[in-house]
Amino acid sequence: DSGVTQTPKHLITATGQRVTLRCSPRSGDLSVYWYQQSLDQGLQFLIQYYNGEERAKGNILERFSAQQFPDLHSELNLSSLELGDSALYFCASSEGQYLPNVLTFGAGSRLTVL
Amino acid sequence: ELKVEQNPLFLSMQEGKNYTIYCNYSTTSDRLYWYRQDPGKSLESLFVLLSNGAVKQEGRLMASLDTKARLSTLHITAAVHDLSATYFCAGGFGNEKLTFGTGTRLTIIP
Repeated sequence: DSGVTQTPKHLITATGQRVTLRCSPRSGDLSVYWYQQSLDQGLQFLIQYYNGEERAKGNILERFSAQQFPDLHSELNLSSLELGDSALYFCASSEGQYLPNVLTFGAGSRLTVL
Repeated sequence: ELKVEQNPLFLSMQEGKNYTIYCNYSTTSDRLYWYRQDPGKSLESLFVLLSNGAVKQEGRLMASLDTKARLSTLHITAAVHDLSATYFCAGGFGNEKLTFGTGTRLTIIP
């Protein structure tokens, strides 16, 4: 157990729907990162939050949004889902806002869009 | 923008043999990470290399960093079946995002 908790582990939904993925960082970590892993795109950085504020943005689609709450958990919202959004979504956490010595990943949420 | 390339993409090797995975990156990188991923599982941190010439070893795995050549290597010594996995390198600079390579799928054959 890495200490980073992601729910749900698996999610199957239909095109056009909206889902929310949740991440609780390791105790003491203030940064949360979201990554998407798909067969054709590899591991892509989506977005980072540090202590409730957006810190860095990557290849995140406009249909996707995220936020980090005061208790430091984060949610990634995916809307108007398309078949190509099927992927493993990882959350990772670290202590500070800059590149850490340790970036700890959660177990991932596997999204299947039918 | 930092680009990270790994080779080979696929590697099948016999138990007991040695091999090296290469990770090239395109621009300055503060640090270089190596991760392991088993099928359908999360990413497990193996090494973080922070300076030119850094070498780290854990069991049969040894990672090194040459910042002048923009190259990191992951060397596998006397491979065993348990090392079968996909290995990723990733680089980053300052407050920039972590950029991952494409991964090397390693299969150890008895």
